[in-house]
Amino acid sequence: DGGITQSPKYLFRKEGQNVTLSCEQNLNHDAMYWYRQDPGQGLRLIYYSQIVNDFQKGDIAEGYSVSREKKESFPLTVTSAQKNPTAFYLCASRTFGQGNYGYTFGSGTRLTVV
Amino acid sequence: GENVEQHPSTLSVQEGDSAVIKCTYSDSASNYFPWYKQELGKRPQLIIDIRSNVGEKKDQRIAVTLNKTAKHFSLHITETQPEDSAVYFCAASYNTNAGKSTFGDGTTLTVKP
Repeated sequence: DGGITQSPKYLFRKEGQNVTLSCEQNLNHDAMYWYRQDPGQGLRLIYYSQIVNDFQKGDIAEGYSVSREKKESFPLTVTSAQKNPTAFYLCASRTFGQGNYGYTFGSGTRLTVV
Repeated sequence: GENVEQHPSTLSVQEGDSAVIKCTYSDSASNYFPWYKQELGKRPQLIIDIRSNVGEKKDQRIAVTLNKTAKHFSLHITETQPEDSAVYFCAASYNTNAGKSTFGDGTTLTVKP
């Protein structure tokens, strides 16, 4: 998974339970992002972070929380307040240096409510 | 905020034919337009990108064009092969806005052998 690692690959959540998705990168990228992907839809931004100890809400932040205590790590917690959490979650990172501004994505976590 | 529309949602072509996917964006401040390819069950991967100071960019069989006035950009794949079958996403962003990208809904391309 060269550079950005998400775990677990599959996650099952019971009703009312909080779960945390892990995202770690060793690319020395400044910014990290969490997107949600639903079938037939594009990627929707949940949260993003440009620097350590700072993060902002994206378009669909309700029911989610994040932290950025280290440059390499950006975990996402799906709380019980998220009423429809079943989806494919993608973590991404990028640098703010010159040149390529594109994202490097992790391999994703598929979350299912049981 | 930015809104990106992508068409068509599905596209089927014969091997060797060309494929074109089109996107429009709403925010004239956007200045970076990447395209990602996502094979079934895998992560999206950047395949080509274009910046607002360039009208066209080519990389072997794929090319992207940008019309800033009309706020649309397109992906062109020539001499398609079965391994080109995937979902393709366009996106728009500007570097001063935390680099966050707004994505289109994706195009499922099927290349028939």
